[in-house]
Amino acid sequence: GQQLNQSPQSMFIQEGEDVSMNCTSSSIFNTWLWYKQEPGEGPVLLIALYKAGELTSNGRLTAQFGITRKDSFLNISASIPSDVGIYFCAGQKSWNSGGSNYKLTFGKGTLLTVNP
Amino acid sequence: EPEVTQTPSHQVTQMGQEVILRCVPISNHLYFYWYRQILGQKVEFLVSFYNNEISEKSEIFDDQFSVERPDGSNFTLKIRSTKLEDSAMYFCASSYLSNQPQHFGDGTRLSIL
Repeated sequence: GQQLNQSPQSMFIQEGEDVSMNCTSSSIFNTWLWYKQEPGEGPVLLIALYKAGELTSNGRLTAQFGITRKDSFLNISASIPSDVGIYFCAGQKSWNSGGSNYKLTFGKGTLLTVNP
Repeated sequence: EPEVTQTPSHQVTQMGQEVILRCVPISNHLYFYWYRQILGQKVEFLVSFYNNEISEKSEIFDDQFSVERPDGSNFTLKIRSTKLEDSAMYFCASSYLSNQPQHFGDGTRLSIL
């Protein structure tokens, strides 16, 4: 099946630092999404990217859809303690010729720890 | 903000027993999904559902699994005869259209003894 390689696996940073994480794939996705998961909760959507080359911001978060459609990165600027959690990239791609199925393929996640 | 709700939050079941996990998707959404996350691993797709039928399923979703939308609001996942390896977090998700972002519930932790 499709694989997303997400790195780094974990990061331990000081409050105020910027963070960058990325995902790569051997195949093309039509949409890239970034989710954050906190303990005991489900993934919460942070940013959705729909076009190759697209750069989108959501507050202190910025994400880009790679020009080859095989990669994406997420940056968090000026980190704060509540940024702690697991960040997942997910690729969305049609699986049939009709284009009606868009299952998500997830990366393994980046565990972010922010030291106050 | 509308959200996907799942019940129960934790289900403990004996191996071989049937279990039903329940979800209430966001009310105007048309596409529904189940995913699972084994402890410490990534989220994996199980099945997608649209217009009262399965539109896609993964190899994990074997004959022991079934989904149903019994009424206008609930979406259920049934595991007929649970195995130890079914222990995981099960997430329900929904989207308005198939190419729009999926929104997830907080999951049901299923523990098989």
